[in-house]
Amino acid sequence: KNQVEQSPQSLIILEGKNCTLQCNYTVSPFSNLRWYKQDTGRGPVSLTIMTFSENTKSNGRYTATLDADTKQSSLHITASQLSDSASYICVVSALSGYNKLIFGAGTRLAVHP
Amino acid sequence: NAGVTQTPKFQVLKTGQSMTLQCAQDMNHNSMYWYRQDPGMGLRLIYYSASEGTTDKGEVPNGYNVSRLNKREFSLRLESAAPSQTSVYFCASSEVGGTANYGYTFGSGTRLTVV
Repeated sequence: KNQVEQSPQSLIILEGKNCTLQCNYTVSPFSNLRWYKQDTGRGPVSLTIMTFSENTKSNGRYTATLDADTKQSSLHITASQLSDSASYICVVSALSGYNKLIFGAGTRLAVHP
Repeated sequence: NAGVTQTPKFQVLKTGQSMTLQCAQDMNHNSMYWYRQDPGMGLRLIYYSASEGTTDKGEVPNGYNVSRLNKREFSLRLESAAPSQTSVYFCASSEVGGTANYGYTFGSGTRLTVV
């Protein structure tokens, strides 16, 4: 069964600190992996997209890594800001007729001053 | 640069009532999708439209119908609402591309409560 598991479920950090969120998946055949940020009451917004051949992708203070062999990904946030408080969702795309997306349940991050 | 617009933002229905959620995109995307998001779960696909004139079932289609009105608009209808349909509904759009790395753009969501 295609699944995407994220950890931790929630995380609290102090402003200015770094953090790393984890994503494990059992999606086959794999197409690509995406990280989204979802602010409360808003829709998800794309941060990064990585294909099988890419093992790192950055977007400002956000850096995603992908290990296709172990089927693991991480999202590292550097020098956190209060505006980083949100849910971060890992999404894996499976090769199919319509590019099926499998969503993780997300990690809820709270950045405190 | 509106992107994907959903209406309404909030709705409360009584069990058995019907309603239509509206979605429109202004990015000339070919594909459109309806998802639902429930607490502790990832988004699940209800229906999608790969291109104008086509619609297909996703993972959780029971109790819903859709209409791809034109290239811009994709509506989701609940014919007889049930409490199990209480959720946040998201519309999304993307360019056509089977396995290409095209991005998805999501609307802001409709929070639906069925009592």
